Amino acid sequence: SQKIEQNSEALNIQEGKTATLTCNYTNYSPAYLQWYRQDPGRGPVFLLLIRENEKEKRKERLKVTFDTTLKQSLFHITASQPADSATYLCALGGMDSSYKLIFGSGTRLLVRP
Amino acid sequence: DGGITQSPKYLFRKEGQNVTLSCEQNLNHDAMYWYRQDPGQGLRLIYYSQIVNDFQKGDIAEGYSVSREKKESFPLTVTSAQKNPTAFYLCASEKPPGTNQPQHFGDGTRLSIL
Repeated sequence: SQKIEQNSEALNIQEGKTATLTCNYTNYSPAYLQWYRQDPGRGPVFLLLIRENEKEKRKERLKVTFDTTLKQSLFHITASQPADSATYLCALGGMDSSYKLIFGSGTRLLVRP
Repeated sequence: DGGITQSPKYLFRKEGQNVTLSCEQNLNHDAMYWYRQDPGQGLRLIYYSQIVNDFQKGDIAEGYSVSREKKESFPLTVTSAQKNPTAFYLCASEKPPGTNQPQHFGDGTRLSIL
């Protein structure tokens, strides 16, 4: 069956450390993968997109990797801050002509001061 | 500023009642989407529209209906046939599909049963 998995347990880290979130998928062949941030009671906000032919993408303190062999994406936040505390969603796209996104359930990140 | 506006923020439904959730965008995007979000689950696609006057069912369309008469508007009706409507509903829009562009989301409507 097709699955997209993110760690359901919250990730609790100390301010200044690097947060690493994982997105694993099975039986999908995405052309690209997106990461979103969602705050409580708000809609998701787009952060980064990485295509299947890209190994790594960076934006300020954010870095995303995409390994199509392992069927995994890693999302890193360096020098984390309490303001980074939120739920982070990964989404697979470009798998069929409908252009739908398939979302993971998200991982909650808590950054302690 | 361009964006997506969902209303109302909170909505309560009585048994046997249909309710309509509003979604308006001024981003000039062609594609619009409706998702349902339940605790601990990913966003699940209800309906989507890639162009005005056309829409397709998503993965959980039963008990819902939509219309797309204008580019800016994509209202969702939760009908009485939807037996478990309590959830957080999110509307999104996107530039012409297939361009690898991100989806832009509204801030959701939380629907509860009275």
